[in-house]
Parts: sequence; structure tokens; C-alpha cells
Amino acid sequence: GAVVSQHPSRVICKSGTSVKIECRSLDFQATTMFWYRQFPKQSLMLMATSNEGSKATYEQGVEKDKFLINHASLTLSTLTVTSAHPEDSSFYICSARIPRNEQFFGPGTRLTVL
Amino acid sequence: KNEVEQSPQNLTAQEGEFITINCSYSVGISALHWLQQHPGGGIVSLFMLSSGKKKHGRLIATINIQEKHSSLHITASHPRDSAVYICAVEGAGHNTDKLIFGTGTRLQVFP
Repeated sequence: GAVVSQHPSRVICKSGTSVKIECRSLDFQATTMFWYRQFPKQSLMLMATSNEGSKATYEQGVEKDKFLINHASLTLSTLTVTSAHPEDSSFYICSARIPRNEQFFGPGTRLTVL
Repeated sequence: KNEVEQSPQNLTAQEGEFITINCSYSVGISALHWLQQHPGGGIVSLFMLSSGKKKHGRLIATINIQEKHSSLHITASHPRDSAVYICAVEGAGHNTDKLIFGTGTRLQVFP
């Protein structure tokens, strides 16, 4: 199947710093990418839908200024957690899809904010 | 009540057993996905189906649109099948890209 990569896989940062997470579709062009957050032993929570060349659509309760999403090309979307706080510590997963096809998930990024 | 319900929440099995995980949903859908998440966190898409039945190796997924129900079966289970299995649906409508997730079924297969 198609491959989606995420970088970094794990990041530890100090409170107040910003962290950028990259999501790439390696062998296909993804017009739509999704960003999820997952707390321990819970299901995925959709944060935002990212469409290439346009502004991301955020889910209710997700702060746009806190979680900046940029979908600069058909193979790359980035999530920047700005002024990170310990409560932002979580597992962040992206997915990408070809319309009407399966979603392909990245391996996830574990963020720990000290 | 969640729009997507899975049962059981937790499941243990001996190697070789036949396993069934159920998913019921309350919304109209255009497709249903079965996903597998291993302890490391990575998620693999197992099936995407909108009708009938699909089979990949030891995995079989079925869906009954009228009853709003899907099942994932694992034949001849193996310890490497231990993972969380997640059912997710795409709602029918103009925005069908978003997935609605079930809470997952945690499967442990013992040798």
C-alpha cells in the first residue's frame, strides 16, 4: 500500500517552544491530509483537515493559532505546535488519502513537553 | 451514545482461535474502514468496504448496510495479531473524507 511518513517520530521540548511535525506522502499525491491527536488508551481525535493550497479546516475546540497547519504541496503537510505546554504532550498522527480511497496513516509523532 | 460502537472492548485469545470483532454504527455511511494499531502506535489500514465481504490472508471483513453492522474476523490467530483494532466510518454526505472512529478493541493473543 501507499506510504506516509512522519518526522520526527519522537520529540521532547521545553515548555514555551514551538515544534514542527512533518507528514509526507511518499509515493502518491494527497489532496487531503488529516491531523489526529491520540491520548493514551483512547481513540483518535481529528484535529483538522488539510487541503493542498488552501487553509486547513479545524474541528471544534481545536485552536487554530495553537496548532498551525500548512499544506504546501501535494505530498507535504506540516503541523506546528506553537508555545507548547505540558498539556500538549500527546501522540500526533497524520493520514493522507486519494479521494474515495483508503486513508494511509503515518507512524505518528510522540510529543513530550517538559 | 457514540455513533460507532465496537465490541468487545478487550479480547484475549489462545493462538489458533477464530476471532470476531463487531462494529455497529448509527449514521448513514459511504464506507467503513478497519484499522490496526500496534503498541508502537503506527496504524495500518486493513480494509475499506462499502458492501459485502473482503478477505486478505487470515483477515475477513463483512458489512451489512441494512443492519448497520460490520465484523472483522481473524482466522488461526497468532500472537503477532495482538493489537488494537479500530472501526471507522465515513459519513454519507458532501464531506465524506472525515472518519468517525470507534473506541477500538484491544486484542491479545497468547501462545
